[in-house]
Amino acid sequence: DAEITQSPRHKITETGRQVTLACHQTWNHNNMFWYRQDLGHGLRLIHYSYGVQDTNKGEVSDGYSVSRSNTEDLPLTLESAASSQTSVYFCASSKFRQARNTEAFFGQGTRLTVV
Amino acid sequence: GQQLNQSPQSMFIQEGEDVSMNCTSSSIFNTWLWYKQEPGEGPVLLIALYKAGELTSNGRLTAQFGITRKDSFLNISASIPSDVGIYFCASGGGADGLTFGKGTHLIIQP
Repeated sequence: DAEITQSPRHKITETGRQVTLACHQTWNHNNMFWYRQDLGHGLRLIHYSYGVQDTNKGEVSDGYSVSRSNTEDLPLTLESAASSQTSVYFCASSKFRQARNTEAFFGQGTRLTVV
Repeated sequence: GQQLNQSPQSMFIQEGEDVSMNCTSSSIFNTWLWYKQEPGEGPVLLIALYKAGELTSNGRLTAQFGITRKDSFLNISASIPSDVGIYFCASGGGADGLTFGKGTHLIIQP
């Protein structure tokens, strides 16, 4: 079955370190997204990509970057981890842009703690 | 950015009761989606709505896309323990990601 997987599931890192979270999907979806989930804020969009070599900033993109070198992967990099980036991170993908089939399918999440 | 107002924030109900939650926005949307999230997992899509006035069911779940295109509701009939979780509404018209409500925490007391 096609799926979307995130790794690692849990990570603890120190302030100032660079961290990369992996996201891999086997649906061949064009669109991929990264969200963070925090109490009181719900899910907030960090970055997204419409396809290979395309990346776009979301609502809370400061301190994060992404790159899309193939259809299957959208790694999320924290350039210099800060305690405010302690959160649960979700990757998602969807097939089409417009109207129907904008449903996004989510990975299981990565819990990141910055100490 | 666009915001979705989801209510109630939490619900404490008895097993067997019906549940109703809703989502409103000041903006018009083309899509309303309802997700459920269980502890330690990512959100899972329950129902997708694409047309104003559309009423769609998925088992004991029923959701409607408001006529004004600014709101949606989700009903769960005859709740059971496995309905526990956080329910999110989400909306968006394209690939600019989805905007999510802050969620409704559903807690079921046996």
